[in-house]
Amino acid sequence: KQEVTQIPAALSVPEGENLVLNCSFTDSAIYNLQWFRQDPGKGLTSLLLIQSSQREQTSGRLNASLDKSSGRSTLYIAASQPGDSATYLCAVLKYNFNKFYFGSGTKLNVKP
Amino acid sequence: DGGITQSPKYLFRKEGQNVTLSCEQNLNHDAMYWYRQDPGQGLRLIYYSQIVNDFQKGDIAEGYSVSREKKESFPLTVTSAQKNPTAFYLCASSIHGTGHTGTEAFFGQGTRLTVV
Repeated sequence: KQEVTQIPAALSVPEGENLVLNCSFTDSAIYNLQWFRQDPGKGLTSLLLIQSSQREQTSGRLNASLDKSSGRSTLYIAASQPGDSATYLCAVLKYNFNKFYFGSGTKLNVKP
Repeated sequence: DGGITQSPKYLFRKEGQNVTLSCEQNLNHDAMYWYRQDPGQGLRLIYYSQIVNDFQKGDIAEGYSVSREKKESFPLTVTSAQKNPTAFYLCASSIHGTGHTGTEAFFGQGTRLTVV
């Protein structure tokens, strides 16, 4: 079974810092990895999708990398802002299945 | 606007009652999913459907039932057999019915179910 782990579970940083969120998965046979943002009491908003053949994807201040062989992905947030405060989740789509496996998320607080 | 609509946003259930959560998508996606989210935990898969008139159990299907009679609709019924139904329920969809590189999941805004 695919296990997805996110470290740290919570992170508090001052505004303006660059930060890295980590996601690891046990089975490297995946189609892709997706990063989401979740605000309190809301659904998930897709941030970035990295296909299995790709190494990274960028959107604005966000950059996500994927190392499939080591079972790791990182989400880099540049120049963090209070509006970035949310829970960030990663999910992998396992090869030969049509199910997404989620980590438990990293709760980010960016202090003004 | 295309998207996934879940209703209601809040739902209260009495002990012994069945309740149904609605999920509708106008994205023309083949696959639809139901997840449960509890505080401090990741999303756990309840049921998923790769195509109309077909669905499979996920990791925590006991006490839940679904139907997929139309491509755009995937309602979830929480039955009285579900002993701890209080949670946040999320519906999702993806364009492909089978695993495919580039398959992206899209989510609704969720339904919070509380047992009273």
